[in-house]
Amino acid sequence: QVHLVESGGGVVQPGTSLRLSCAASGFTFRTSTMHWVRQAPGKGLEWVGFIWYDGSKTYYADSVKGRFTISRDISKNTLYLQMTSLSAEDTALYYCARDPDWGYSFDMWGQGTMVAVSS
Amino acid sequence: QSALTQPPSASGSPGQSVTISCTGASSDVGGYDYVSWYQQHPGRAPKLMIYEVSKRPSGVPDRFSGSKSGNTASLTVSGLQAEDEADYYCSSYAGSYTVVFGGGTKLTVL
Repeated sequence: QVHLVESGGGVVQPGTSLRLSCAASGFTFRTSTMHWVRQAPGKGLEWVGFIWYDGSKTYYADSVKGRFTISRDISKNTLYLQMTSLSAEDTALYYCARDPDWGYSFDMWGQGTMVAVSS
Repeated sequence: QSALTQPPSASGSPGQSVTISCTGASSDVGGYDYVSWYQQHPGRAPKLMIYEVSKRPSGVPDRFSGSKSGNTASLTVSGLQAEDEADYYCSSYAGSYTVVFGGGTKLTVL
């Protein structure tokens, strides 16, 4: 059974950094392109970025470019999102999602991990 | 990377059909057949309902269908059921390896 479990969220101060993790199981992680999507409280979904299945390329939304970095550890079946220079606008529930190579769709999602940026 | 435009709300009675629109531009919805639709119940993760404009993943009822005309994509839910009440989001590939979502539509089953 495909399973994605995010962790690492919490309450942080503006300007600080945080790293989120997404543990994958039940599918071949090393051949799967993976995305991060976030959802601010009471708001809609916002695509954050993705990493190729082999980790060779990463792409980001303009809103996080230069501040967020996506990486993956194949040996640990884990996806990461390193976030720096956090601001209140980054407060959201962060989901990792699998891309099944169906036209940039996301067929499996984790339950999300909450990040709150507040002084 | 401007968000796609969806109506904030839609509604229908059980058994009826309802269509939710998703309007973008030639640089996203109109330029690629890479539109997806997601259903999200309160407190739950989104669920893929439609991909590549009109394809349904295994397990999604055929009451859900998708289409596209020009820069506007649509999700139609036929034979509305109480469990269809949820938020629905469209997304599209927007070129340069980016994805854009719509603002979401709250579907109410009357």
